[in-house]
This record gives sequence, C-alpha cells and structure tokens, in this order.
Amino acid sequence: EDQVTQSPEALRLQEGESSSLNCSYTVSGLRGLFWYRQDPGKGPEFLFTLYSAGEEKEKERLKATLTKKESFLHITAPKPEDSATYLCAVQANAGNNRKLIWGLGTSLAVNP
Amino acid sequence: GAGVSQSPSNKVTEKGKDVELRCDPISGHTALYWYRQSLGQGLEFLIYFQGNSAPDKSGLPSDRFSAERTGGSVSTLTIQRTQQEDSAVYLCASSYPWDSQPQHFGDGTRLSIL
Repeated sequence: EDQVTQSPEALRLQEGESSSLNCSYTVSGLRGLFWYRQDPGKGPEFLFTLYSAGEEKEKERLKATLTKKESFLHITAPKPEDSATYLCAVQANAGNNRKLIWGLGTSLAVNP
Repeated sequence: GAGVSQSPSNKVTEKGKDVELRCDPISGHTALYWYRQSLGQGLEFLIYFQGNSAPDKSGLPSDRFSAERTGGSVSTLTIQRTQQEDSAVYLCASSYPWDSQPQHFGDGTRLSIL
C-alpha cells in the first residue's frame, strides 16, 4: 500500500538553528514528491516538486532533497516566519487520477 | 493572478441538514480536486475532475457525498443529511492536467456539524 510518513511530528527550533524534516515513502513507482507549507487556517502552499533520486531544489532558507526511499527538507538559519506545518505528498505512477498521498506533517515552531 | 477561491470559509449547520461547498479554480486549470482534512489526520482525497472526462469518485466516503463541475470551471461539493463525523475542513485544489503538476489549494471551508 502506498504510504507517506513524516518525522518528527513536531519540532521546536531557536532562530538560526538549522535542522531537517524527513519524509519517508513507499509507493508503486514515484511520479513526483511534493512539499507544501500550511499556516493555521490556510490551505497548503506549494513549495517544491522532486521527480527523481538525487534531485535537489532550493528556495530561500529551504532545500529539498530526494532519495529512492525518502526526502529531506533542510531549513538553514530559520526565522520565526518559517513557523508552519510542512506537508509531504507523493503522486504514484499507478492509477490515472493524479491524487496525492499525504503525510501527517511536521509542525515547526521557530522561537526568536 | 487569482488563486483558488472557496466559499463559504466557515459553515455551521445542524445534523441532518444538507450543505453545499463551492470551489472556483485557477483560470486555465482543467484538473480539480476535493480533499478533506480532519484534526490529526492527513489530507483525504475525495474526488477528481479532469476536463470533460468522467470524475474519479473513488474517495467519496458515502453516497451522501456528491460533487459536480459545471462548464469545466466552478465545482460544488454537496453533503446530504450531514453527520457529526462530517465536521472537517474541505479543501479544493486545481492544477494543469499534465503529470506531476503541483496542485494549488484554496483556504478551505471549515464545516462544523452541531
């Protein structure tokens, strides 16, 4: 069964303290892995798409990497405004409805 | 440009009533999705529309749930005879039709069943 597991569930960092969030997946053929950010009361906001092992994408203080089993979202020198829930989702090759299979997210709090 | 728009943003109703939730996708996005997000659970796929093709309804939890998309644009999700377990945030997303295109979300409708 296709599955996505994110860890840790929650993470508290001091401003400037770099860390990484993990997304492990099992899927019958990966079409794409997506990272989103979700703020309270808002819908998920798209960050990155990764397609194949070895691929990396960067945006400001965020860098996403992908292997055949997992993806990491590295946060360098975070600021309080990076506080949010980070969601990972995968799209499998099987089936044609392009639905995303979601992890439960990592709730990140960055203290000033 | 304008993002995905959902209305109402909040809906409180009594058990047994019917509700309609509306989604206006990004212009040019022919793919449209409905998801449900409950506290402590991941996003749950409900239904997928792509152009004029028959929708994929495989995620609808019961026959009380239905959705339509008129003119390939606006979509309405209808829940009949609401139950307390239907309380959740209902999210709509749209995307271009090609493989691995990111889905862009509205801010959802928070549905509370009393």
